Amino acid sequence: EDQVTQSPEALRLQEGESSSLNCSYTVSGLRGLFWYRQDPGKGPEFLFTLYSAGEEKEKERLKATLTKKESFLHITAPKPEDSATYLCAVPRSASKIIFGSGTRLSIRP
Amino acid sequence: DVKVTQSSRYLVKRTGEKVFLECVQDMDHENMFWYRQDPGLGLRLIYFSYDVKMKEKGDIPEGYSVSREKKERFSLILESASTNQTSMYLCASSKQVANTGELFFGEGSRLTVL
Repeated sequence: EDQVTQSPEALRLQEGESSSLNCSYTVSGLRGLFWYRQDPGKGPEFLFTLYSAGEEKEKERLKATLTKKESFLHITAPKPEDSATYLCAVPRSASKIIFGSGTRLSIRP
Repeated sequence: DVKVTQSSRYLVKRTGEKVFLECVQDMDHENMFWYRQDPGLGLRLIYFSYDVKMKEKGDIPEGYSVSREKKERFSLILESASTNQTSMYLCASSKQVANTGELFFGEGSRLTVL
C-alpha cells in the first residue's frame, strides 16, 4: 500500500540550531515528492518538488533532498518565523496526492 | 496573486443537518480538490474534480458529495452531518498535479458537528 511517513512528529529547536526532518515513502513508480509548509489555522503552502534521487532544492534556510526511499528537509540556522508544520506528499496517480501527517517544527528565540 | 477562497472559516452544525462548503478559485485551474485534515491522520482526499461536472472519489468519500457546475467553484456537501465529520476541510486547486505537485490551498473551513 502506498504510504508516506514523516518523523519526528514534533521538533523543538533553539534559534540557530540546524536539524533535519524526514519523509519516507513507499509508492510504486515515484512521480515526484512535494514539500509544503502549513502555518496554524491556514492551508498548506507549496515549497518544493523533487523528481529524482540525488536532486536538491533550496529556499532561504530550507534545503530538500531526495533518495530512493526518503526525503530530508534540512533547516539551517532556523529563525522563529520558520516555526510551522512541514508536510511531504507524493502522487499516487495523475490526480491523487498522498500526504504525510507532518512534522510540527517549533523554533525558540 | 493566486487565490483559493473558502466561504466559511468556522461553522457549527447539528447532527443531521445538511452542510454546504463552498470553494472558489481565480486561477482558471482545471483540477479542484477537497481534503479533510485531522490530527495524526494528515490530509485525506475526499473528492476531486478535473473538469466542470466531472468528479472522482478520493480515499474517504462516504458521507460526502460534491458539485462542480462552474470551473471556478467546487462545493462539498454533507447530506446529513455526523459528529465524526467534525474536522478541518481544505479546498485546493491545481493546473497540473502530476507534473509539479503544486496545489494551491484555501485557508480551510473548521466544521464542528454537535
